[in-house]
Amino acid sequence: NAGVTQTPKFRILKIGQSMTLQCTQDMNHNYMYWYRQDPGMGLKLIYYSVGAGITDKGEVPNGYNVSRSTTEDFPLRLELAAPSQTSVYFCASSPSRSGITNQNTGELFFGEGSRLTVL
Amino acid sequence: AQSVTQLGSHVSVSEGALVLLRCNYSSSVPPYLFWYVQYPNQGLQLLLKYTSAATLVKGINGFEAEFKKSETSFHLTKPSAHMSDAAEYFCAVRRAAGNKLTFGGGTRVLVKP
Repeated sequence: NAGVTQTPKFRILKIGQSMTLQCTQDMNHNYMYWYRQDPGMGLKLIYYSVGAGITDKGEVPNGYNVSRSTTEDFPLRLELAAPSQTSVYFCASSPSRSGITNQNTGELFFGEGSRLTVL
Repeated sequence: AQSVTQLGSHVSVSEGALVLLRCNYSSSVPPYLFWYVQYPNQGLQLLLKYTSAATLVKGINGFEAEFKKSETSFHLTKPSAHMSDAAEYFCAVRRAAGNKLTFGGGTRVLVKP
């Protein structure tokens, strides 16, 4: 009963390093999202995908990249890490509405988060 | 564009007392509205959602919320707080035809015995 799985759970990076946060879901959901959570700021959308091969920017995409080669996987790449990217990152997925392929149900299923510190 | 404002970043209630968490939204088109809960060191999970049907929505764990268009509000309530309700709560909005949620800043609930 895995749901949405994120790795790693914790990571410390030095300024300028790069890394990839992994996200995989086993629910066959078309929609996937990456959010970052900062204290008092709620969640901000970084990137999202409406299906394999299709990605789009959210509110705060600068400094990040994504790809979606399969339905299951949606990795988030950080290039040239900066202290401003210190945050908790959440991956989420959402199923399509029944009979409507270009809209999801609105219910997001979240992973447990990845805490990243950039020093 | 849509936005959500949650009044009060922290709320303290006594066990057995009413829980009231406030959420106001801004949207130029009919919105869908959501409440999510986050327990410590976990991801968010859906409490309830409004999708233009009944304005009073019941969710899990005894929570409910009422959509009031005239007040652009979607406040979350629970008649009697339990210790297990201690968590952070997030209100979120999206366009009815959209696929992206916009979250509020969150309200952390502390339940006192």
